[in-house]
Amino acid sequence: AQKVTQAQTEISVVEKEDVTLDCVYETRDTTYYLFWYKQPPSGELVFLIRRNSFDEQNEISGRYSWNFQKSTSSFNFTITASQVVDSAVYFCARNTGGFKTIFGAGTRLFVKA
Amino acid sequence: DGGITQSPKYLFRKEGQNVTLSCEQNLNHDAMYWYRQDPGQGLRLIYYSQIVNDFQKGDIAEGYSVSREKKESFPLTVTSAQKNPTAFYLCASSIGTGTSISDTQYFGPGTRLTVL
Repeated sequence: AQKVTQAQTEISVVEKEDVTLDCVYETRDTTYYLFWYKQPPSGELVFLIRRNSFDEQNEISGRYSWNFQKSTSSFNFTITASQVVDSAVYFCARNTGGFKTIFGAGTRLFVKA
Repeated sequence: DGGITQSPKYLFRKEGQNVTLSCEQNLNHDAMYWYRQDPGQGLRLIYYSQIVNDFQKGDIAEGYSVSREKKESFPLTVTSAQKNPTAFYLCASSIGTGTSISDTQYFGPGTRLTVL
């Protein structure tokens, strides 16, 4: 199966620390899309970013940044100067086409004040 | 405001009962999805619908049924045949372009179902 692996089950940091969430995916496809979602305690998944397989430029949005490396099949997510409101479960996902999306198991991030 | 609504937020069911979870979207999206989330796990696809009056089984469809009579609505019924229905259920929608490979899915707030 073409999996999405988030090896970190839980991460705990102190406020203002930087933290990187890892995501490794498997694919035999040339064209694919990768996603990150945030799931706060309320439960709703919030879309953060979408990248396609042809665009390896890193992306920065405020305190969030993403590093996409096809050579290592990784799409890592970094939060700079973490805040308590960043506490959530973060999911990495990959679209396979045919209306199917493969989600990783998620990484639970605790940010302590 | 455009978005996806799910009701109820919490649902309790006795064993042997069927229950229906509601999902409505006003994003004008063609595609809709139902996922199940168990503690500490990712999302697993139950059913999806590309267009009105059409739907397809996902990875864990046994014990569930759906209908898609209107573009904006995609209700999920959890039947008594579902052996372990206690879980968090998330509905999502996407534009539904072509094979959907570039689609972003947008999610509702979820329904937490508990079987007593």
